[in-house]
Amino acid sequence: RKEVEQDPGPFNVPEGATVAFNCTYSNSASQSFFWYRQDCRKEPKLLMSVYSSGNEDGRFTAQLNRASQYISLLIRDSKLSDSATYLCVVNMGGGSNYKLTFGKGTLLTVNP
Amino acid sequence: EPEVTQTPSHQVTQMGQEVILRCVPISNHLYFYWYRQILGQKVEFLVSFYNNEISEKSEIFDDQFSVERPDGSNFTLKIRSTKLEDSAMYFCASRELAATDTQYFGPGTRLTVL
Repeated sequence: RKEVEQDPGPFNVPEGATVAFNCTYSNSASQSFFWYRQDCRKEPKLLMSVYSSGNEDGRFTAQLNRASQYISLLIRDSKLSDSATYLCVVNMGGGSNYKLTFGKGTLLTVNP
Repeated sequence: EPEVTQTPSHQVTQMGQEVILRCVPISNHLYFYWYRQILGQKVEFLVSFYNNEISEKSEIFDDQFSVERPDGSNFTLKIRSTKLEDSAMYFCASRELAATDTQYFGPGTRLTVL
């Protein structure tokens, strides 16, 4: 099983659509979880951290299910500017052993 | 807002040459990282650095790679004898404290080995 596995995509959706990304991770001892976005040939940028209780930031909602080792991201009312690659990212260590393990990413294109 | 900076933005080198990629982490951060991303592939962890020593390194980070914090601001990645397969984007990242989760990434250096 890959360490972090995401929907392969790509996703093409019209403006205003709701889109969901799914991710699973293999290491049950993983400490923290994130969604990053990456624009073409740019650095990953933190979109949001993901907590067991679920968290929401405007049009974005992230969920974590530790029992299933599953993470999700929902984007509502998608905008053209949401077009990017969405990276599921897991921290599998703590303290000085902190390191991020990335999924391969899912490309989203929002069309006018 | 403070940010991680990296230089150069693009480095072209001949196979077998040494390259040094430079990063200036956010000033009050204590943990430093290098990642790389080969074109079309996922971002991969290379090395973490804390308190002037390597905390952890991946299998990719072999004897050809080294890191250094030569002064209070710079954090460098050296590749001693570059190979074609070292061509990638190299991202530096920093993190403030052990208790904080967020890593901030620099804009990257695109390394092209000919």
